[in-house]
Amino acid sequence: SYELTQPPSVSVTPGQTARITCSGDGLEKQYVCWYQQKPGQAPVLVMYKDIERPSGIPERFSGSSSGTTVTLTISGVQPEDEADYYCQSTDSSGTFFVFGSGTQVTVL
Amino acid sequence: EVQLVQSGAEVKKAGETLKVSCQVSGFDFTDYWIGWVRQMPGKGLEWMGIIYPGDSDAKYSPSFQGQVTLSVDKSINTAYLQWSSLKASDTAVYYCGRRTGDERRGRYFDLWGRGTLVIVSS
Repeated sequence: SYELTQPPSVSVTPGQTARITCSGDGLEKQYVCWYQQKPGQAPVLVMYKDIERPSGIPERFSGSSSGTTVTLTISGVQPEDEADYYCQSTDSSGTFFVFGSGTQVTVL
Repeated sequence: EVQLVQSGAEVKKAGETLKVSCQVSGFDFTDYWIGWVRQMPGKGLEWMGIIYPGDSDAKYSPSFQGQVTLSVDKSINTAYLQWSSLKASDTAVYYCGRRTGDERRGRYFDLWGRGTLVIVSS
C-alpha cells in the first residue's frame, strides 16, 4: 500500500525555521498538500499543489518539492504554529487519499 | 456562509447502529465530492472514503470497505456516514471534508467540518 513518511516531531524556538518532510514513492507524480491541526480542532489546509498557499495562510508557510520528498517550511515560527502537521497525497488514479503519519511541531 | 456542519457527539454500545451527518451550506452540494476521515484518540488522520452527491458514487478505502456506508440526501444537502454494528474500536472523531482540486492542482480537502465524536462502549 502507498505510504507517506513524516518525522514524528520537530522542535524549534520562536523565530527560527521549522522544516517538515514528507516522503513517498509516488510523490514525483502526485501533488502533496499539508494540513495543520491544533488540539481539539479540525484540520486546516495550509498548502496545496506542493507549493501553493491558500488565501489567509501566513506567508511564513512555504512548500517545496524535490524528487520523492516534499517539504513544508515555517519561517520565523510563532508560538501559534505549535500543532500537528499532516501531509496528504493521492494514489495514481487521484481517487484515494493517503495521509502521512503526522509531525508534532513544538515551539520551545 | 460556506461550511460543513456535523451532527453532535454520540455515545453508543457495541453492536448498535449509528448514522452521523454532515450538512453543507454556502455552495452547491452536487458540485463537490464529500469525504470522511477518522481520527482515533491520540492518533493521526485516516481517509475512509468519499461520495459524490450528484449520483451517490462512493469510493471506500480498503481499510473501511464493508465496515461503513456512505450516503447522501440531496434534498437537505447532507452526507452521511453509517455503521450497522459498532465496535469499541470505532471510538474516534469523524470529520467530513469537501474535496476540491484536479489533476493540475492535486486533490485535497479545502473545507472541513468540526468533527463528530463517537464513543462506543463494549
